[in-house]
Amino acid sequence: AQRVTQPEKLLSVFKGAPVELKCNYSYSGSPELFWYVQYSRQRLQLLLRHISRESIKGFTADLNKGETSFHLKKPFAQEEDSAMYYCALIRGATNKLIFGTGTLLAVQP
Amino acid sequence: NAGVTQTPKFQVLKTGQSMTLQCAQDMNHNSMYWYRQDPGMGLRLIYYSASEGTTDKGEVPNGYNVSRLNKREFSLRLESAAPSQTSVYFCASRSTGDPEAFFGQGTRLTVV
Repeated sequence: AQRVTQPEKLLSVFKGAPVELKCNYSYSGSPELFWYVQYSRQRLQLLLRHISRESIKGFTADLNKGETSFHLKKPFAQEEDSAMYYCALIRGATNKLIFGTGTLLAVQP
Repeated sequence: NAGVTQTPKFQVLKTGQSMTLQCAQDMNHNSMYWYRQDPGMGLRLIYYSASEGTTDKGEVPNGYNVSRLNKREFSLRLESAAPSQTSVYFCASRSTGDPEAFFGQGTRLTVV
């Protein structure tokens, strides 16, 4: 069965420090992976997807099929990055969209 | 353009009561989802509907039923509420072929 694992419940860093939010997945097929973000009092929204290989708000994520990982990185954290981050996977044939347990990122001034 | 709308926003139920959470989207999306969000557990998929007329179980379907009433609406029913169903419930929708899902604002349900 497909699964998404985010080992850290909370990640606290200082402003300007690098950030890496870990995500590992298990899926037998070719995964479509994403990062979603939930800012305080806002709806959950898509941050980025692995297919596009884009950088959004300074965040990037690379799919590593060998390590089955899709870690989210940012070289210099900002206070406005403080939010809950979810890694997600779509099982294409069924349209099933599943999420990891989430990591709360707290950026201290 | 309202996006995904959930009703109600808040609800308190007594153990054993039933209720239906409503979700509607106006983006002509094929797929719709119901999740529950609990501290430390993340977002867990309860049920989903890949297209109008189909529904499938997710990770935690026990104690819930769903109805895909039409393309716009996807409701979640608790037949006999239990305290373990105290949670924040989110509805989401997406278009087949486009991976981005759009979420409702959530329903905070407390079962006492």
